[in-house]
Amino acid sequence: DTAVSQTPKYLVTQMGNDKSIKCEQNLGHDTMYWYKQDSKKFLKIMFSYNNKELIINETVPNRFSPKSPDKAHLNLHINSLELGDSAVYFCASSHAIPGGELFFGSGTQLSVL
Amino acid sequence: QKEVEQNSGPLSVPEGAIASLNCTYSDRVSQSFFWYRQYSGKSPELIMSIYSNGDKEDGRFTAQLNKASQYVSLLIRDSQPSDSATYLCAVRSETSYDKVIFGPGTSLSVIP
Repeated sequence: DTAVSQTPKYLVTQMGNDKSIKCEQNLGHDTMYWYKQDSKKFLKIMFSYNNKELIINETVPNRFSPKSPDKAHLNLHINSLELGDSAVYFCASSHAIPGGELFFGSGTQLSVL
Repeated sequence: QKEVEQNSGPLSVPEGAIASLNCTYSDRVSQSFFWYRQYSGKSPELIMSIYSNGDKEDGRFTAQLNKASQYVSLLIRDSQPSDSATYLCAVRSETSYDKVIFGPGTSLSVIP
């Protein structure tokens, strides 16, 4: 009965590979997010979807492509992985404002070798 | 100027003391403010949300908001070793597609 679940928890891969991270929420929220937390622990927004529609796309390389098949799911596909992509990726969800508190998944530790 | 700023710490307080964490933000029209706690290797966990000027108390935690000064703080009373974590201040931007922007976090260490 996990509220926001993402898989896998760990991802170790070689440079140049393509990988995906999946996220699902059962909170009934209409907005979902991807955040990246780098080695300095700074949490930075990458994408936001509201009811399957992309509403925030920060300056993220085109190699990152989010997909939202429905408002409970938001996946992240990464092409041609680079060393600098190594980080922890967090999925989160929220109701639209007012309120808008984010609830996070457990994170995916991506290591690119 | 960064959008959300916090003292990076580390902040060390003895057990039982009050820990005071501070945050400033640049977006004057922001209306929603959050404090998250993140233990090492874990995901951020919501502690408090505050939307109006003044204080909001929840157990040992008190959030304080001053929109005129663009300042939000978190007080932790009777600090416990289990409070040792990184505390993230977050602000929902009203002028940028409602995105939630996080500060760099303050590392708190409660010494037994």
